[in-house]
Amino acid sequence: DTEVTQTPKHLVMGMTNKKSLKCEQHMGHRAMYWYKQKAKKPPELMFVYSYEKLSINESVPSRFSPECPNSSLLNLHLHALQPEDSALYLCASSHSRGRGNTEAFFGQGTRLTVV
Amino acid sequence: EDQVTQSPEALRLQEGESSSLNCSYTVSGLRGLFWYRQDPGKGPEFLFTLYSAGEEKEKERLKATLTKKESFLHITAPKPEDSATYLCAVPYNNAGNMLTFGGGTRLMVKP
Repeated sequence: DTEVTQTPKHLVMGMTNKKSLKCEQHMGHRAMYWYKQKAKKPPELMFVYSYEKLSINESVPSRFSPECPNSSLLNLHLHALQPEDSALYLCASSHSRGRGNTEAFFGQGTRLTVV
Repeated sequence: EDQVTQSPEALRLQEGESSSLNCSYTVSGLRGLFWYRQDPGKGPEFLFTLYSAGEEKEKERLKATLTKKESFLHITAPKPEDSATYLCAVPYNNAGNMLTFGGGTRLMVKP
């Protein structure tokens, strides 16, 4: 099973709303990621969690707040977003270094529209 | 600065017309090169990992190869269902798990 499940698939939110994106994997991976992908562009890394601890924040604005409640779950809390934050948000997971191949498996993404 | 460049940006093929996609990289100490397929509006689907020059991996009509400076994704006798964007990516940290992606090649296979 190489499945990463993301919910919701689509989300429309106003600039004053608070919403959350959810991600779940059951592959025993201890590294989880959030990527952002704009139309016709490659994915760009936002956050890395390793063993449930935030290890990398790629200078992401504080209106994006990640959370890793346990080794299978990853959330991305959204607050006061701007229209330019509209994008496909991708969750991924992989083994951590030294635990096998580090290829990342991606979810199907959440298409976010900020109005 | 580590970079990943893919060419061509777009490729139109007739069904059955074989071709190759290129991924050039400049990273210090390669810790793997990854190929993904992405359909519109979907997440990238993992295809291959290559770790050392000379390595080859195959899956159905796809074959990935790696040299010290670039990787090729060869598509043999493609079918319309092979139409997608193909992305290559390399890690840019020592742990090998932070990926930088090339711009992708958008492949269209006409019947």
